[in-house]
Amino acid sequence: SQKIEQNSEALNIQEGKTATLTCNYTNYSPAYLQWYRQDPGRGPVFLLLIRENEKEKRKERLKVTFDTTLKQSLFHITASQPADSATYLCALALNSGYALNFGKGTSLLVTP
Amino acid sequence: DADVTQTPRNRITKTGKRIMLECSQTKGHDRMYWYRQDPGLGLRLIYYSFDVKDINKGEISDGYSVSRQAQAKFSLSLESAIPNQTALYFCATSDTSGVAGELFFGEGSRLTVL
Repeated sequence: SQKIEQNSEALNIQEGKTATLTCNYTNYSPAYLQWYRQDPGRGPVFLLLIRENEKEKRKERLKVTFDTTLKQSLFHITASQPADSATYLCALALNSGYALNFGKGTSLLVTP
Repeated sequence: DADVTQTPRNRITKTGKRIMLECSQTKGHDRMYWYRQDPGLGLRLIYYSFDVKDINKGEISDGYSVSRQAQAKFSLSLESAIPNQTALYFCATSDTSGVAGELFFGEGSRLTVL
């Protein structure tokens, strides 16, 4: 069966450091992968998309990599701030004709 | 006003009752989705609709039904609610104009079934 796995343990880091979150998948050949941020009690908010033919994507302090051989995406937040504390979700779709499926998310806590 | 509006935001009901959660959007998107979120289980897809005449089951559709009344409205019904349907429900929309398919979520409807 298809699986999307994210670290279930919360990630605690110090302000200013780089946070790295992992998303692994099995039995998928996704056309693209997306990352979302979710704050407690709120709906997820889209952050970045990376396509299968792209190795890396950047947006301000965010960087996403996509390795289709390893079936893995890494999500980096550089110069992390306490305001970056949230749960981060990865999501995959086979192509635009399919709905997104989500991982369970990883909670990030950035302490001053 | 929010682009994706869900009503009610909170609802407590009893086992066996019929419940409808409503979603409306002003984004003009063709595609709409219902997900539920449970602690430790993440977001799971219940139903989705790619246009007004299209309805598709997601991974956990049993016990649920949907209606796409118009491009802007997509409602989720629980015909006979049971306690394990207690969860946070999210409606989302996406656009078909690009490949991206990024989702825009509502604020959620928290349902408690006693």
